[in-house]
Amino acid sequence: QSALTQPASVSGSPGQSITISCTGTSSDVGGYNYVSWYQQHPGKAPKLMIYDVTIRPSGVSNRFSGSKSGNTASLTISGLQSEDEADYYCCSFRSGTPFVFGTGSRVTVL
Amino acid sequence: EVQLVESGGGLVQPGGSLRLSCVASGFTFRDYWMSWVRQVPGKGLEWVANIKRDGSQQNYVESVRGRFTISRDNAENSLYLQVNSLRAGDTAMYYCARDFSKGDLDYWGQGTLVTVSS
Repeated sequence: QSALTQPASVSGSPGQSITISCTGTSSDVGGYNYVSWYQQHPGKAPKLMIYDVTIRPSGVSNRFSGSKSGNTASLTISGLQSEDEADYYCCSFRSGTPFVFGTGSRVTVL
Repeated sequence: EVQLVESGGGLVQPGGSLRLSCVASGFTFRDYWMSWVRQVPGKGLEWVANIKRDGSQQNYVESVRGRFTISRDNAENSLYLQVNSLRAGDTAMYYCARDFSKGDLDYWGQGTLVTVSS
């Protein structure tokens, strides 16, 4: 079964905003409001950053925001900081599976 | 403080078996679905399986269905993954995670590494 599609890498300068896309189909991203985003630093376990498309868990910076349009979900990081440099994964409910992750995006702070 | 601690990984030959365990603390274990997620070193995350609060429902990714079995013991606050007929492609770090809502995994363990090699 195929993973959701993310860009392999995204970069930006400190203070800038970047957006990571996550493209699926009507059977997953487009069909349900169950998209989450995870941040993973090297050698560490993933951390939940956004759930149910737009909701930030307690303790996550408000510089992180989520959205969705059609079959594509997006994670935006505003005011980019050095500690944001990490891998980011989207995840969606998919009928029959029931969950699938994205291919992952490496964020680099220039 | 919520904690999830995995164990049971190791080096196993192709075709072999292991039982992975995850001990939970700091929350009411029986109130949550639980999941296993794996990650091949240097690669992306793959959702493997999850189990309902009372253990009555399990779901698996197609690639492990029939070879892996997820289970739980709510009295012992423990989650398990029995992995059989292991293949080289199953080599990965295996994480257990708490699922608080429709696949939203809010707490993760540090993982246990499974290496399948002859």
